[in-house]
Amino acid sequence: DAKTTQPPSMDCAEGRAANLPCNHSTISGNEYVYWYRQIHSQGPQYIIHGLKNNETNEMASLIITEDRKSSTLILPHATLRDTAVYYCIVRASNQAGTALIFGKGTTLSVSS
Amino acid sequence: NAGVTQTPKFRVLKTGQSMTLLCAQDMNHEYMYWYRQDPGMGLRLIHYSVGEGTTAKGEVPDGYNVSRLKKQNFLLGLESAAPSQTSVYFCASSYSNSGNGQYFGPGTRLTVT
Repeated sequence: DAKTTQPPSMDCAEGRAANLPCNHSTISGNEYVYWYRQIHSQGPQYIIHGLKNNETNEMASLIITEDRKSSTLILPHATLRDTAVYYCIVRASNQAGTALIFGKGTTLSVSS
Repeated sequence: NAGVTQTPKFRVLKTGQSMTLLCAQDMNHEYMYWYRQDPGMGLRLIHYSVGEGTTAKGEVPDGYNVSRLKKQNFLLGLESAAPSQTSVYFCASSYSNSGNGQYFGPGTRLTVT
């Protein structure tokens, strides 16, 4: 899996958009970009993933640069419940037998 | 949709005792996984299954067994618990692994004394 780099922490005011960046300059052509988060003492939560195109679902939007070397996860209206550690993972699709490797991630703190 | 559920949520075992952790998913996912998460160690894959009736070893399978008799259930067994198996266990499921994300359960916190 390609290596990813994320800022260790970010702050966001409640109701504002949270934009979480991720660098993955060594990404291969068959590797997807995934975002997960883990709220303290809970299980990891899948958020969104993409290959080349920007993606949006009910939780977030994922913007991938044209060269695919970086991406941004956007939480459009952050709430206090979005306070969590966010993990950007780059991973090929055919890896059922290997664990998801979470790096250190970005700790997002949302405050009122 | 309950998603992925795990039972029990907490358990304390004595060394040598056995137990089974149950994972159930109602999303008709083909793939299911068992992970353990320890402080500073990240997620480690114990066993996984790519379909009903099939199982395979992950990265840390020793001391654990699994069964997938029904598509929606994935059982993790500890035959003779050891203190090194004290951990938080997460089950996850996904559609066939063509780029889909994994959906996790809430976890089982196991302590072996």
